Amino acid sequence: DQQVKQNSPSLSVQEGRISILNCDYTNSMFDYFLWYKKYPAEGPTFLISISSIKDKNEDGRFTVFLNKSAKHLSLHIVPSQPGDSAVYFCAASGVDSSASKIIFGSGTRLSIRP
Amino acid sequence: DTGVSQDPRHKITKRGQNVTFRCDPISEHNRLYWYRQTLGQGPEFLTYFQNEAQLEKSRLLSDRFSAERPKGSFSTLEIQRTEQGDSAMYLCASSPQGPPSGAFFGQGTRLTVV
Repeated sequence: DQQVKQNSPSLSVQEGRISILNCDYTNSMFDYFLWYKKYPAEGPTFLISISSIKDKNEDGRFTVFLNKSAKHLSLHIVPSQPGDSAVYFCAASGVDSSASKIIFGSGTRLSIRP
Repeated sequence: DTGVSQDPRHKITKRGQNVTFRCDPISEHNRLYWYRQTLGQGPEFLTYFQNEAQLEKSRLLSDRFSAERPKGSFSTLEIQRTEQGDSAMYLCASSPQGPPSGAFFGQGTRLTVV
């Protein structure tokens, strides 16, 4: 049972343009949503998060949008840079101790082409 | 603070042998997670500690797997009687108390069972 789904295994975007990575979830009890970035042979690196009480969170070139009614979130990267080429994981979690595990999607490989 | 540290980085073992991995979390992080990642998949939750208490274990964690976190500091993950299907990247992460603003991952231990 995949509670967090990333339906696009890969995405190619031209440098300077906007990259949009999408994620869907099924569990309405999730309180926090997170995006991680992963380079080969490294552990995932936390990128940005959003609370379920918000619909947008922005940090520099990265913006996460949350649509609770659609159980959908997206990560926007603008402008896209070569160093953004990596695998991006969407993740979700609860707040209290009984639901603190973080559930990950299967990832989207983003390639930024010159 | 040097971040989450995992040891060893790589382990090759023969089928049937026991292996033990160590994770040193970021100091003062009371939450510690173990995940397993295989090629093309996102990290799969294995188990979660809050201080020294193991609060949740995944169904993925068979009887051959055991994790400990004595004194609420470092943690160990032991796999007994390894099987080829155990070959994966084993990731450890830690986070502070409160909303999961972002768990910080180590670089992982890559296990190969031959």
